[in-house]
Amino acid sequence: EAGVAQSPRYKIIEKRQSVAFWCNPISGHATLYWYQQILGQGPKLLIQFQNNGVVDDSQLPKDRFSAERLKGVDSTLKIQPAKLEDSAVYLCASSPGISLWGGYTFGSGTRLTVV
Amino acid sequence: QQQVKQSPQSLIVQKGGISIINCAYENTAFDYFPWYQQFPGKGPALLIAIRPDVSEKKEGRFTISFNKSAKQFSLHIMDSQPGDSATYFCASKSGNTPLVFGKGTRLSVIA
Repeated sequence: EAGVAQSPRYKIIEKRQSVAFWCNPISGHATLYWYQQILGQGPKLLIQFQNNGVVDDSQLPKDRFSAERLKGVDSTLKIQPAKLEDSAVYLCASSPGISLWGGYTFGSGTRLTVV
Repeated sequence: QQQVKQSPQSLIVQKGGISIINCAYENTAFDYFPWYQQFPGKGPALLIAIRPDVSEKKEGRFTISFNKSAKQFSLHIMDSQPGDSATYFCASKSGNTPLVFGKGTRLSVIA
């Protein structure tokens, strides 16, 4: 079974620039999550999709962050404009269903550095 | 508001020893308690998980102990090996809500 694919692996941008991350979940997984992991901390949820609909985006800074999941498969997370405090690893995860028991499968993440 | 509190922040254990990491949660509606293992440059990977209807679950050298009344659960790694050196996260969820994670414990197993 192929894992969760994310790209790019690394990105360095200047503050106020924009950046986009891409995620391809495990085939057939209906639920997709974007987490932000700041160095030395645990992952923090940004947004949760069920198929192509948003379930929870309460912690997404909507003035600068946006995300979409077209056709209920791949997803893109965008930051515009970036701030220094956005430096973090952005993790994408997927699971078979929203309430099914079982763990999430995470990708290796995109490490973003804002300078 | 931190819903899941994890301790210690870091842990050094001798090879062959027992590693113990603790987690406390606040939300009594939580009904799923996994532990994740993360190596540098990788995403977290599910290690072991427990539901609140049992007090202990063992998989190989890894055991979760669960205390519902105290709202605490812990991870025990028996016969710790250098290859176990990683960051460990506890997490919790209920129903349709997404996983909330602790801040992590960096484990170093030294020979």
